[in-house]
Amino acid sequence: EPEVTQTPSHQVTQMGQEVILRCVPISNHLYFYWYRQILGQKVEFLVSFYNNEISEKSEIFDDQFSVERPDGSNFTLKIRSTKLEDSAMYFCASSLRDGENSPLHFGNGTRLTVT
Amino acid sequence: RKEVEQDPGPFNVPEGATVAFNCTYSNSASQSFFWYRQDCRKEPKLLMSVYSSGNEDGRFTAQLNRASQYISLLIRDSKLSDSATYLCVVRDSNYQLIWGAGTKLIIKP
Repeated sequence: EPEVTQTPSHQVTQMGQEVILRCVPISNHLYFYWYRQILGQKVEFLVSFYNNEISEKSEIFDDQFSVERPDGSNFTLKIRSTKLEDSAMYFCASSLRDGENSPLHFGNGTRLTVT
Repeated sequence: RKEVEQDPGPFNVPEGATVAFNCTYSNSASQSFFWYRQDCRKEPKLLMSVYSSGNEDGRFTAQLNRASQYISLLIRDSKLSDSATYLCVVRDSNYQLIWGAGTKLIIKP
């Protein structure tokens, strides 16, 4: 069964450094998402991406964050200057459609630790 | 009022028992509904979509009550491997996914 893959599985970085989290969505999917989950808390929406542009973003997704689909397969999340509170699991997801009854398929996540 | 609300649990249930969770949602225009399962420090995995007429997948049954704005998940003959957090997810009228905080289930031998 096709799956969403994310790398790295764990990233440790110092406060103020830039990080890039990478995702390869399922190949025929058209909609891509980033979510985060702070340890012990609920899953939070960051951004959705379709047709090479951001379609929705949350309040969390401020100017420190950006997304790219540089080559038609990878989908990246960049955090420009990490803060301690950015420490979380970051999940990439993709879906075939964005309509009713179109479930998301999640990657295994990248655990980001900011020290 | 939270948009999607779940009892956080934990529900401690003996193996073989039947357990049910509810999830309430606040937006009556919500479009579609899902149950996801999340193991500790792992990604959420789709368990089942919830259809208006209710649906069953093996030991799992999902129901939707639009009038009262809740969905339910019933697990029959629970297994140790069912221990996880069950996340209720609602897609609103803007196609945004709204996540509940999850209900923790612990199945005991």
